[in-house]
Amino acid sequence: EVQLLESGGGLVQPGGSLRLSCAASGFTFSSYGMNWVRQAPGKGLEWVSGFSGIGGNTFYADSAKGRFTISRDNSKNTLYLQMNSLRAEDTAVYYCAKASSGSYNAAFDYWGQGTLVTVSS
Amino acid sequence: SYELTQSPSVSVSPGQTASITCSGEKLGDEYVYWYLQKPGQSPILVIYEDNKRPSGIPERFSGSNSGNTATLTISGTQAMDEADYYCQAWDRRTVVFGGGTRLTVL
Repeated sequence: EVQLLESGGGLVQPGGSLRLSCAASGFTFSSYGMNWVRQAPGKGLEWVSGFSGIGGNTFYADSAKGRFTISRDNSKNTLYLQMNSLRAEDTAVYYCAKASSGSYNAAFDYWGQGTLVTVSS
Repeated sequence: SYELTQSPSVSVSPGQTASITCSGEKLGDEYVYWYLQKPGQSPILVIYEDNKRPSGIPERFSGSNSGNTATLTISGTQAMDEADYYCQAWDRRTVVFGGGTRLTVL
């Protein structure tokens, strides 16, 4: 059974940093693309960043470029999102989502339960 | 940047057919994916690559994509189908989601 468990969310002041983790199990982690998707309170889904399983390429939304860094540790089956220079508008539930293949352009077939990030003074 | 447009809300009576649309420039040239999300829950993939259903998704869910519009169709809509629905596509190695459509089953 595929499981994705996010952690690392919490309250942080504007300008601060936070690192999110997503522990994966139930599939061969290194073979699949992985993504971070966020959802601000009462709003829709917004893709943040992705990491392909093939080639190890990384991709970012414009809102994340230069501030967020996605990484993965295949030995620990864990995906990370390092978030720096956080802003109030980064407040959201952050979901980890597995891609259905190693390619970057694939469906998100499994999602974690999400971790809440609140940026406020 | 590429945009996907969805109607904010759709209402349907139980047992009837619900159609949820997603529009974008030349959307038919790309694969479209559909997700449903119930309050307080994580999204679930219901359609991938325009018209394919993942294992476990009921046959009443179907999809199509042509021209500038993709459509998610729910035949024989049930009360349990009430949810927010999001379309998604890829644009030059970035992911774009539509704004979401709230389906109400009256």
